[in-house]
Amino acid sequence: KQEVTQIPAALSVPEGENLVLNCSFTDSAIYNLQWFRQDPGKGLTSLLLIQSSQREQTSGRLNASLDKSSGRSTLYIAASQPGDSATYLCAVTAGNMLTFGGGTRLMVKP
Amino acid sequence: KAGVTQTPRYLIKTRGQQVTLSCSPISGHRSVSWYQQTPGQGLQFLFEYFSETQRNKGNFPGRFSGRQFSNSRSEMNVSTLELGDSALYLCASTGGRRNTGELFFGEGSRLTVL
Repeated sequence: KQEVTQIPAALSVPEGENLVLNCSFTDSAIYNLQWFRQDPGKGLTSLLLIQSSQREQTSGRLNASLDKSSGRSTLYIAASQPGDSATYLCAVTAGNMLTFGGGTRLMVKP
Repeated sequence: KAGVTQTPRYLIKTRGQQVTLSCSPISGHRSVSWYQQTPGQGLQFLFEYFSETQRNKGNFPGRFSGRQFSNSRSEMNVSTLELGDSALYLCASTGGRRNTGELFFGEGSRLTVL
């Protein structure tokens, strides 16, 4: 059974800092890994999708990497802004099933 | 291009009642999946439909059911509601011409059971 863990559970940083969110999974036989953002009471917004054959994806200030052999992914956020405050979730797809991590709650202070 | 639409956005029910939630996927998407989000359990997979057929089912009791129509719209039903069913129910769609497997979520239906 796939298990996905995100560390840390919560993070508070001053505006402008670069930061890294971590995601680990137990079964490396994944189809893809996706990072999402969720604002309070809202749905999930897709940030980056990494296929199993890829090593990283970039979108603006976001960069996500994938290391299947070690069962890890990282989401790098450059020059953080207060508007980045949200919960960030990673999810892995394997066998047509999606398994989510518990999320990292990020607070960026002005 | 319209996103994933879920209705209703908020609803309040009492124990023992039943509820039906609706999800309209992005145009052209044929796969719809449902998730339950609670503070204690996080996001959990309920089931996934593709071309009107349930392809996968999570570990939820039989009170949770769903279906998909020929236009890819999906509904999920929860019968005999319990207090623990209070949650944000999210649906996601994927597929279409450039099927990368990327999931697109709706805003969710927040169910409160009293």
